[in-house]
Amino acid sequence: RKEVEQDPGPFNVPEGATVAFNCTYSNSASQSFFWYRQDCRKEPKLLMSVYSSGNEDGRFTAQLNRASQYISLLIRDSKLSDSATYLCVVTSGGYQKVTFGIGTKLQVIP
Amino acid sequence: DTEVTQTPKHLVMGMTNKKSLKCEQHMGHRAMYWYKQKAKKPPELMFVYSYEKLSINESVPSRFSPECPNSSLLNLHLHALQPEDSALYLCASSQGGGDWSPLHFGNGTRLTVT
Repeated sequence: RKEVEQDPGPFNVPEGATVAFNCTYSNSASQSFFWYRQDCRKEPKLLMSVYSSGNEDGRFTAQLNRASQYISLLIRDSKLSDSATYLCVVTSGGYQKVTFGIGTKLQVIP
Repeated sequence: DTEVTQTPKHLVMGMTNKKSLKCEQHMGHRAMYWYKQKAKKPPELMFVYSYEKLSINESVPSRFSPECPNSSLLNLHLHALQPEDSALYLCASSQGGGDWSPLHFGNGTRLTVT
């Protein structure tokens, strides 16, 4: 089993739709969780950290379920500019052991 | 605008060349990283420097040689690379010393080995 698993997609959704991605992790000792966004041929950029209580930033909501070992990202009212690859990132053993998921590609269509 | 600066943005080198990639951050971060990313793959960790000391080497071939001259700078020296080493090389930094410390990436250097 991979340490961090994501559905690579692509997810093709119409503008205005709500879309959700999940990411599962295998190490129960994992400590920190993040969602990154990566545009084609660009560097990954931090979208949001994921906290146990869940957190929201505008149209984006992230949730962590430690019991089932997954995190999720919900995007409401999708915009064309949301088209990108969304990388799930999990850390364990302190800040140095950082594991990336393969990324989920989102394409928002007009 | 990224707070982690990488140079050059693009590099083409032959298999016998020696070149260096440079990375600089002024966020006071104490951990710095080199990642390699191939197309349609996630970033793959190469090296981690923690407080200017090499703390992780993910079994990277010796033709890649990292160097951390000070807490703000990170270099990657390249020598006798192979065409399969062509990739996007990403530098990142984080605060270090704690768990809730996301990585901040530079724009990357797109390397082509001919």
